[in-house]
Amino acid sequence: GAGVSQSPRYKVAKRGQDVALRCDPISGHVSLFWYQQALGQGPEFLTYFQNEAQLDKSGLPSDRFFAERPEGSVSTLKIQRTQQEDSAVYLCASSLGQANTEAFFGQGTRLTVV
Amino acid sequence: DQQVKQNSPSLSVQEGRISILNCDYTNSMFDYFLWYKKYPAEGPTFLISISSIKDKNEDGRFTVFLNKSAKHLSLHIVPSQPGDSAVYFCAASFTGTASKLTFGTGTRLQVTL
Repeated sequence: GAGVSQSPRYKVAKRGQDVALRCDPISGHVSLFWYQQALGQGPEFLTYFQNEAQLDKSGLPSDRFFAERPEGSVSTLKIQRTQQEDSAVYLCASSLGQANTEAFFGQGTRLTVV
Repeated sequence: DQQVKQNSPSLSVQEGRISILNCDYTNSMFDYFLWYKKYPAEGPTFLISISSIKDKNEDGRFTVFLNKSAKHLSLHIVPSQPGDSAVYFCAASFTGTASKLTFGTGTRLQVTL
């Protein structure tokens, strides 16, 4: 596709439920990022992949959060045993992977934990 | 600790006038800065960037100024148009970290007729 695609657009989960969020990056983009955006805040870095390698996961808030990109293309962010504080918009971005190149963002998945 | 700060949560400007959005950062290691624009229910869209080796970058109606000594950058939009109404995020990164970005909290710009 022409841009970064994320699914689902909206997800409502009951507290304690596991969720999986999908990201399809721009074809050929080496780098893939996940960000979390809470209401009224800027996006905050969660994790970064270069191809299939997860090079930085320093932003993942707890061990309930797990991300993968097994074939270096599509990525999945999984949240286990969701909590109310996990409610946020989860943004995926991809880039060519070269220094000082902009990242292109998807529309995000709005997760609401009830 | 907020490393990138946008102290004005909102700004209202008349159509045709200049919009100036400000951003401050605390980490002197940042050397690449970007502005993103975000409409409701959409992801952020890249607008303009500047490397720390420059103090100005211009693209059409958009100009970004960087003052390294003050750790301050600003985005100027001239002339402002109603379609510019959106939330603007300032972001910063270190060279070599691809696009790992540290964002500010955003400024909502409203361009009025």
